[in-house]
Amino acid sequence: GAVVSQHPSWVICKSGTSVKIECRSLDFQATTMFWYRQFPKQSLMLMATSNEGSKATYEQGVEKDKFLINHASLTLSTLTVTSAHPEDSSFYICSARGHLGGANVLTFGAGSRLTVL
Amino acid sequence: DAKTTQPPSMDCAEGRAANLPCNHSTISGNEYVYWYRQIHSQGPQYIIHGLKNNETNEMASLIITEDRKSSTLILPHATLRDTAVYYCIVRVGQAGTALIFGKGTTLSVSS
Repeated sequence: GAVVSQHPSWVICKSGTSVKIECRSLDFQATTMFWYRQFPKQSLMLMATSNEGSKATYEQGVEKDKFLINHASLTLSTLTVTSAHPEDSSFYICSARGHLGGANVLTFGAGSRLTVL
Repeated sequence: DAKTTQPPSMDCAEGRAANLPCNHSTISGNEYVYWYRQIHSQGPQYIIHGLKNNETNEMASLIITEDRKSSTLILPHATLRDTAVYYCIVRVGQAGTALIFGKGTTLSVSS
């Protein structure tokens, strides 16, 4: 079945530094990937839609200059949290459509937990 | 997109069937019903989806009412590992469309 891999699984960084999270579709090509963020005891919140070869589409309230998304190939999208601050600490999850047919079944990565000190 | 309503929490005894309800009274004709679950500190896991007919796979069964305004996810023999947050999502099948998550139902399975 479709597999989405995220790396790193967890990362700790100092305030002011930048962190890159990778999302790979291992056995299928994904022209579109989605990035979500989840704070403790809350549901997943869609941050942006990543499109291969074009600019990402960000949801309202998500700073595009802070959360840089690059989708340079059909199997890789990256999310870079620039100048991270403690309030950016969260669980970041990516997903991609790995199912053919009429439905829109998304496969999710295992998530990347970011802690900013 | 149609919104869904789920109970915040449910309990189930191990080995019994877990029946998780979801209301989606404003669902459109081209919208599917998707079920995902999220075990603590992991990414969401796909369970099952359906459009009009009832569906069954190795994980669960999905019962959709004839008017499509509600559905029930059935885990036939719940185990402790089924303890998770279960999300019912209604969304079109169009590629390139993200899934929007509500608050879901926290299912607690106990021995």
